[in-house]
Formats: sequence, structure tokens, C-alpha cells
Amino acid sequence: EVQLLESGGGLVQRGGSLRLSCAASGFTFSNYAMSWVRQAPGKGLEWVSAISNTGGSAYYPDSVKGRFTISRDNSKSTLYLQVNTLRAEDTALYYCAKGINRAGTPTFFDFWGQGTLVTVSS
Amino acid sequence: QSALTQPPSASGSPGQSVTISCTGTSSDVGGYNYVSWYQQHPGKAPKLMIYEVNKWPSGVPDRFSGSKSGNTASLTVSGLQAEDEADYYCSSYAGYNTLVFGGGTKLTVL
Repeated sequence: EVQLLESGGGLVQRGGSLRLSCAASGFTFSNYAMSWVRQAPGKGLEWVSAISNTGGSAYYPDSVKGRFTISRDNSKSTLYLQVNTLRAEDTALYYCAKGINRAGTPTFFDFWGQGTLVTVSS
Repeated sequence: QSALTQPPSASGSPGQSVTISCTGTSSDVGGYNYVSWYQQHPGKAPKLMIYEVNKWPSGVPDRFSGSKSGNTASLTVSGLQAEDEADYYCSSYAGYNTLVFGGGTKLTVL
């Protein structure tokens, strides 16, 4: 059974940083691209990063480029998201999501975690 | 990288069919066959319902179907059931290794 367990969220001041983690199990982690998707309270979904299976390629939307960094440790089957210079609008539930191929190109996600909440205070 | 446009709400009675639209541009929905649909119940993670416009993941009932015409994709739920009441989000590959979601549609089963 595929499981994705996010952690690392919390309350942080504006301008602060956090490192989110996603522990994967139930599939060969190193064979699949992964992504992070966030959801602000009461709002819709927003894709915020993707990484290829090897970690050699990473992609971001303009809204987070330069502030967020996605990475992975295939030996630990763990995905990470370093979030810096946090703004109030970064407050959201951050989901990790499994891609369907090796390339980092985000197309769709067949499994999602339960999310970790990041709250940015001013 | 603008969000795709979905109606905020849709509704239908049990047994009826309802269709939810998802409008983008030629740079996303119209340009690629990578439209997906997700179902999200309150407090739960999204669940993949349709991928690549009209394909079903394992375990998803064929009451859910997808289609695309030009820059607009659609999700049709046939034979509505109470458990179909949820939020539905479309997404599309948008080129340059980016993905865009729709704003979501709240489906109510009357």
C-alpha cells in the first residue's frame, strides 16, 4: 500500500523558513517523480514544485521560484521542501504527491499524503 | 500560469448526471492531453478520478467520465450517489514543466 506521510509544518513568522518532509513507502520511491501541492484554508489546489526520480531536475511555478527548493533522498525514500522568506499567502496545507513516471514534468498524481500545515504569522 | 476556470458549484439529484466544466487556454487544456480530475471530500486528501482527459485509475467507477473539446475539459458524473458530494478540481499540464489547477467546484447531491 502506497503511503506518503508529511511532516515539518508549523507556525512561523513572516520571513522565516521551514523544511517539510514526506516519508514514502509501499512503492519504489527512486523510480518516480514527486511533487508538492498546497491548499490555502478554504481555497483550491496549487502546484508548487516537482522533482525527477533522480533529483536531477526540479521545477517550480513563478509564485515560489527562488524561495522554495524541492529535493529528495532516495536512500531514505524521503521528499523535502525547503520554504524560505515565507509570506502570509504561503499559509496552506502542503501535500506531497506521487507522479506517474521518472521525469519531473508534472502531469498528474496518483497518490497523495494527508498534508502538513504551514501557518505564517505577521 | 493562471488558474483554470471552473464553476464554483454544481448540483444534481441522486441518479441524475451532472457535468463540470474546466476552461483554460491553448497553452494548457487545449494544448495537451494531460487533463486530470480530482475528488476531495472535506478534511481529506485529493483523489485522482480521471487522468489524460478520459482514463480511469484503478478502482474509480466508470460513472465518472472525462472529455475535452478545444480549451474546455469536462467531468461528467452519471448516476449520482450521495458519496459523490465533494469538491472537484481539474488540472492541466501548462507547458515549460508546469501544472495548473482549476479553482474547484463544489458538487452537491440534492
